[in-house]
Amino acid sequence: KQEVTQIPAALSVPEGENLVLNCSFTDSAIYNLQWFRQDPGKGLTSLLLIQSSQREQTSGRLNASLDKSSGRSTLYIAASQPGDSATYLCAVMGAGSYQLTFGKGTKLSVIP
Amino acid sequence: NAGVMQNPRHLVRRRGQEARLRCSPMKGHSHVYWYRQLPEEGLKFMVYLQKENIIDESGMPKERFSAEFPKEGPSILRIQQVVRGDSAAYFCASSPQAPQETQYFGPGTRLLVL
Repeated sequence: KQEVTQIPAALSVPEGENLVLNCSFTDSAIYNLQWFRQDPGKGLTSLLLIQSSQREQTSGRLNASLDKSSGRSTLYIAASQPGDSATYLCAVMGAGSYQLTFGKGTKLSVIP
Repeated sequence: NAGVMQNPRHLVRRRGQEARLRCSPMKGHSHVYWYRQLPEEGLKFMVYLQKENIIDESGMPKERFSAEFPKEGPSILRIQQVVRGDSAAYFCASSPQAPQETQYFGPGTRLLVL
């Protein structure tokens, strides 16, 4: 059974800092891995999706990496802004599956 | 192209009542997934449906919960005789063609059982 863990559970940084969020998963047989952003009381916004054959994806100030063999992914946020404050969720889709397995998220606060 | 729509956004029910949650997938999407987010927990898969068919309901409680996706109209997640433990955010997602394509999430329905 796939399990996804995100560390840390919460993170507070001053504006302008670069930061890294971590995600680990127990079963390396995955189809893809996705990072989402969730704002309080809102839905999920997809940030980056990495296919199992890829090593990283970039979008603006965001960079996500995937090391499937070690069961790890990182989300790098450059030059953080207060608007980046949200909960970031990591989710994996198993090979041959369609279910997304989510971590509990990292709650990020960027202090002005 | 409107995104995935869910209604109501907030729903309050008393114990023993029924809750009906609706999900309209994105235009052209024929695959619908329901997930539940309990307080302080990650989202958990409940059920996967295609038009008029339940493909996988392995994540859905065996009693009181049911889901449908009729030929016409939205997908419905129905919870009978709600209990306080059903209080959660229920998210619907849809994907266009194959089930392993990107899932697009709706804003969720927050259910509160008094």
